[in-house]
Amino acid sequence: QVQLVQSGGEVKKPGASVKVSCKASGYTFTRHGITWVRQAPGQGLEWMGWITTYNGYTNYPQKLQGRVTMTTDTSTSTTYMELRSLRSDDTAVYYCARVFSGSFGQFDFWGQGTPVTVSS
Amino acid sequence: DIQMTQSPSSLSASVGDRVTITCRASQSISNYLNWYQQKPGKAPNLLIYAASSLQSGVPSRFSGSGSETDFTLTISSLQPEDFATYYCQQSYSTPYTFGQGTKLEIK
Repeated sequence: QVQLVQSGGEVKKPGASVKVSCKASGYTFTRHGITWVRQAPGQGLEWMGWITTYNGYTNYPQKLQGRVTMTTDTSTSTTYMELRSLRSDDTAVYYCARVFSGSFGQFDFWGQGTPVTVSS
Repeated sequence: DIQMTQSPSSLSASVGDRVTITCRASQSISNYLNWYQQKPGKAPNLLIYAASSLQSGVPSRFSGSGSETDFTLTISSLQPEDFATYYCQQSYSTPYTFGQGTKLEIK
């Protein structure tokens, strides 16, 4: 069965960086992309970008350009999301999700979420 | 960026009720519209993709319709496990954007 397992929660100080991992299993890793979505406390969902797992192509929203980097390691079926220059408003639960490779790019399987707290 | 607006923001209903949630896009997105359900403390779960296609394993009481700018999610007969927050999301163009969510509560 398809599973995405994320790394554990993090507490970081403002200005630091965080790197969250997402390990996929139960399917051919390079056939589907991975996206990242975050959710601030009590708020809605925010798309952070996606990466194609077979060649590492990335697409980030302008809001996060320059602060976010997504990478992939096909040998371990793991995707990483690094966010730099953390601010208090980056406090959120960070989710990875599989981007189904059909025409509509829906997010069909999700990780369990990784809480990241940014506080001095 | 394409703005997605859901209505209502919250909704109270009873078990067995028929419920409809609306999502409007700020420009045409054809049928590149997905619906997710999220329960407290859990990851979202895909219900409907391509506006009207039911994701595998999702109960048939969930259905979606619409195209271009106006879309609906309908739950034909509410069950206790359906009380959750629902989000629409466009996958027509990046940045992909979500609606603000509709919280469905028990009356």
